[in-house]
Amino acid sequence: DTGVSQDPRHKITKRGQNVTFRCDPISEHNRLYWYRQTLGQGPEFLTYFQNEAQLEKSRLLSDRFSAERPKGSFSTLEIQRTEQGDSAMYLCASSPRGTEDTEAFFGQGTRLTVV
Amino acid sequence: GESVGLHLPTLSVQEGDNSIINCAYSNSASDYFIWYKQESGKGPQFIIDIRSNMDKRQGQRVTVLLNKTVKHLSLQIAATQPGDSAVYFCAENNNDMRFGAGTRLTVKP
Repeated sequence: DTGVSQDPRHKITKRGQNVTFRCDPISEHNRLYWYRQTLGQGPEFLTYFQNEAQLEKSRLLSDRFSAERPKGSFSTLEIQRTEQGDSAMYLCASSPRGTEDTEAFFGQGTRLTVV
Repeated sequence: GESVGLHLPTLSVQEGDNSIINCAYSNSASDYFIWYKQESGKGPQFIIDIRSNMDKRQGQRVTVLLNKTVKHLSLQIAATQPGDSAVYFCAENNNDMRFGAGTRLTVKP
C-alpha cells in the first residue's frame, strides 16, 4: 500500500455541473477525513468518517456537498451545482485511530477549477 | 469558535541556522497536536506529534515543544536546509483535526 490515493488529480468543470472525487485510504485505516484548501490557507475541515459512519460535518459545508464511505473503505465527495467559489484543492486523509488519536496521512489532493 | 492559529505567516532563515515556528491554540481540552509540512502542489506531510502529557518531543532535526499553560506549540528545526522550505501547519486533533493558516518557511542559501 503506497498511501492515500485521490482521483482525479485535477478536474476542470463548468459552473453548475456536478463533480465527484474519490479517496482510497491506507488499508485498514478506519478514520477518513476530507478537507478543502485554498491558496495561502490551511486545510479547512469538511467532514470525517469512522469506518462507514459520518461522525461530523462542518457547519461551513453547504448542502451541495455530500460525502459517503459506503463500505468503510474508499470515500467519495460530491459537489452538486458547482460554483466558482468551490475552486480549491480537496484533500483526503486517513488514520488508524484506535483508542487514541494518531497522525493522519494525506493524499496528494484533487485540484478543482470551476470555470 | 475555538481554533488553531499561528503567530507569523512567513519566516526566512539562512541555511544552517535553526528555525522556530510558533502556533497558538485556544481549546484547552485538546490533547493531541501534530505538525505538518506542505510543499507546493502536494498534500501535507506528517513531521512530528505530541500529546498533552508531554512538553517536549524530539525527532530527527525537529523538536516540538508544548506549553499548556499558555496554549502554545513550537516547532524547532535544527540546521535548516533548503529542502525544509515549505509551509508548516500545526493541527490539533480532537476527532476533527483542525489546522491553522500556516507559516511559510524560506531557507536562503
